[in-house]
Amino acid sequence: ETGVTQSPTHLIKTRGQQVTLRCSSQSGHNTVSWYQQALGQGPQFIFQYYREEENGRGNFPPRFSGLQFPNYSSELNVNALELDDSALYLCASSSVGGDEQYFGPGTRLTVT
Amino acid sequence: SQQGEEDPQALSIQEGENATMNCSYKTSINNLQWYRQNSGRGLVHLILIRSNEREKHSGRLRVTLDTSKKSSSLLITASRAADTASYFCATDTQLTFGTGTRLTIIP
Repeated sequence: ETGVTQSPTHLIKTRGQQVTLRCSSQSGHNTVSWYQQALGQGPQFIFQYYREEENGRGNFPPRFSGLQFPNYSSELNVNALELDDSALYLCASSSVGGDEQYFGPGTRLTVT
Repeated sequence: SQQGEEDPQALSIQEGENATMNCSYKTSINNLQWYRQNSGRGLVHLILIRSNEREKHSGRLRVTLDTSKKSSSLLITASRAADTASYFCATDTQLTFGTGTRLTIIP
């Protein structure tokens, strides 16, 4: 078990709604990355936050946005949900200069 | 495009046998990492190998890296039922994953 926690564990939303997912990073880690994993696929990089600033972004539309707070916890917000947004959302934390990422258990989002 | 691509997509072996899975990537890297994922849960970091390293060991795991061929392999020796999982390779810090190898260990 890593020290990374995510909430909620599962949630079901309706197409067009908005959702906020939360992540608490491991103690001492100031970098948080978010990934989307569709069923049967590998995780896809959404974006990374370092010291409350976005520090890299994958090929995701602007309706995917994030925040990092002074305590290094983070939020992923998705607006105007689409059916294809149904996936496992993973966050991972790492330390400055550290390459190893520590993943949380994920949030399973279902969009109906 | 996905940077790391694992092969095979699925592998079933008897408990006690060795399991080998491979990873190919497209561009230059600083490091390559292997992760394990059990049934829709979070990923667990297994081992990291840097671009200037050729081989690395950790317990029953052995990883090789061939930067000239842009490929890596993960060997799990003396497999156990608990090794049943999906295995992913990923490159650098903004990790780019392939679709993984689903490993099943048959007791």
